[in-house]
Parts: sequence; C-alpha cells; structure tokens
Amino acid sequence: GAGVSQSPSNKVTEKGKDVELRCDPISGHTALYWYRQSLGQGLEFLIYFQGNSAPDKSGLPSDRFSAERTGGSVSTLTIQRTQQEDSAVYLCASSFRVNTGELFFGEGSRLTVL
Amino acid sequence: AQSVTQLGSHVSVSEGALVLLRCNYSSSVPPYLFWYVQYPNQGLQLLLKYTSAATLVKGINGFEAEFKKSETSFHLTKPSAHMSDAAEYFCAVSDQGRGADGLTFGKGTHLIIQP
Repeated sequence: GAGVSQSPSNKVTEKGKDVELRCDPISGHTALYWYRQSLGQGLEFLIYFQGNSAPDKSGLPSDRFSAERTGGSVSTLTIQRTQQEDSAVYLCASSFRVNTGELFFGEGSRLTVL
Repeated sequence: AQSVTQLGSHVSVSEGALVLLRCNYSSSVPPYLFWYVQYPNQGLQLLLKYTSAATLVKGINGFEAEFKKSETSFHLTKPSAHMSDAAEYFCAVSDQGRGADGLTFGKGTHLIIQP
C-alpha cells in the first residue's frame, strides 16, 4: 500500500489475555520501528528491525512483549498476559533505511486492557 | 545520552498570530533534529529536519525551525497560525551515526488555535 498500515485500529481485551498487533510497512522500507504512546508520556521506543533482525530489544518493557518481522516486511508485536498498564496506542513506523530519522508512521493500534 | 525537552504541554494562539513551539535538546554528539506533527486520530508526519546543513530549516505548511547550537534549541515557528494547524507537535533528536535506534521524542506540545 501507499502508507504504513496497522491492524487492528482498536483492540479491547481482558486482563491476562494475549494480543497481537500487526504492521505492514511501506514497500521497500528496510527499517521498521515500534513505539508506544501513552497519554502525557510522549512516544516510548520499543524495538526496531533492520530487515528481519532486531539489533536493539532494550526498549521492550518486559518479557511479556515480543516482536518479529518476516520476509523483511510485515511485523507483529505480541503482548502476552496483558495488564492494564499496557493500555496505550502502539505506533509502527518504517523508513527507507536506518539512520535517516525520516520515519513514516501508521495510524496506530489503540489497545485497551480492562 | 540524548534527550529532548519541549516547554509547554499546551500552547494556545489566535488565528493569524505567530506560532512558537519550544524545543531544547541534549546530545553528546552533533545531533539530527526533527519536528513531527500528529493530527487527531492519525500517525505522526514529518514536518522538517535538521542534519547539519543550513541552520534555518523550512518545512511543510509554512513551518520553519532554527538550530541554535549555543542555546541547544530547535524552536518551531510559523508566522501566521491557521485553524488547520491545531495538532500535537513532537520534537525529536537522533545522534547521527550513533545507531539505528530511531528517534528520541519529546513529550509533545498540543497546539490550540483560537478563532
């Protein structure tokens, strides 16, 4: 597609359930990033991919969070045993290559954990 | 470590008035600096970027920003505000060549335009 596509746009789940968030980057973009946006907290870096590999996983909040990218394209962010503090908007971005700072963002997946 | 501070979580200006959104950065190496804008229920969009070329950078929608090393600032301005400028604005920094870990964002400034 023309832009970064994220799904679902909204997800309501119960505490303790697992959720998967999907990101489809712009075609040809080798770098892919996940951020978390919480009210009043700005954007929190979670993880980035260069191709299919994730050199930096230090931003993931806990071991309940994981992410993968396959075929150098689609990425999935998985949150296991969700907690209420996981409620946020999860933003995905892609760029043509790393180190440019020119990120193209999707519209985000809003996660609400009850 | 790099960081960004945006002064004022909310800024309100009248339509037609000057817009000034403040951003100060901290970086151990010469930085790349960015402004992004987020309209309601949308993702972030790049407004402009500074990468050590001209210190006055022009972006989309009439916005510009000036890099001032002595003040470690990268304030965003627009001479005349329009109602369509109402949005959340984020300043971001990247240590050039430091790595591919994306950007460090400020907490954002919500720009309100009064009619």
